[in-house]
Amino acid sequence: EVQLVESGGDLIQPGRSLRLSCTGSGFNFGDYGVSWFRQAPGKGLEWLIFIRPKAHGGAVEYAASVRGRFSISRDDSKSTGYLRMNGLQTEDTAVYYCARGHVAVGGAPGIYSFDLWGQGTQVTVSS
Amino acid sequence: DVVMTQSPLSLPVTLGQPASISCWSSQSLVYSDGNTYLSWFQQRPGQSPRRLIYKVSNRDFGVPDRFSGSGSGTDFTLTISRVEAEDVGIYYCMQATHWPPWTFGQGTKVEIK
Repeated sequence: EVQLVESGGDLIQPGRSLRLSCTGSGFNFGDYGVSWFRQAPGKGLEWLIFIRPKAHGGAVEYAASVRGRFSISRDDSKSTGYLRMNGLQTEDTAVYYCARGHVAVGGAPGIYSFDLWGQGTQVTVSS
Repeated sequence: DVVMTQSPLSLPVTLGQPASISCWSSQSLVYSDGNTYLSWFQQRPGQSPRRLIYKVSNRDFGVPDRFSGSGSGTDFTLTISRVEAEDVGIYYCMQATHWPPWTFGQGTKVEIK
């Protein structure tokens, strides 16, 4: 089955750090970009961070809201991407989703959309 | 950043009737290759988002043909030809032309009357 599974969500105190994992199966993980999104309680979807596949340089893009605090990495040998979050604040409380970034058929090489999402993992920041 | 705006934010619908959701972008979503990278996502209650439509009007694998996307430039529409109970949820448009960042509309909540 083609799927993404997130893990690592937790209840954590403000100021602490946390690492989330996103493991893919049923497809060649290394061929795709990996992105993280979040959804705060009762709110919409927010893009956070993206890493290109190594064949496209593996470069990273950050949303302004997380630049300097969040980082992303990937281990294609484990079909896993990681989101490292430092200095967590109460406003970071959300469900975090990873998604597979792919180039659409007939689409431009540098344009990624997100065709496969994980089930999400809950991060709660509270003292 | 490209701002995406959806309307309505709440859409009560009758089973078997059509439903339409509008989405506008603050700038044209036509890319230099001539394609328009506008997607629609469905999020059922308690579930993760699922992409329904990409490049304005292309349905993803397994998406029922009652879902269709249309539009161009800055104005886009998702139409459900005959709403079924399983279509209840929140629908988001997302632009992938001018990134980063990828940006979403606020979401439209579809519910059954």
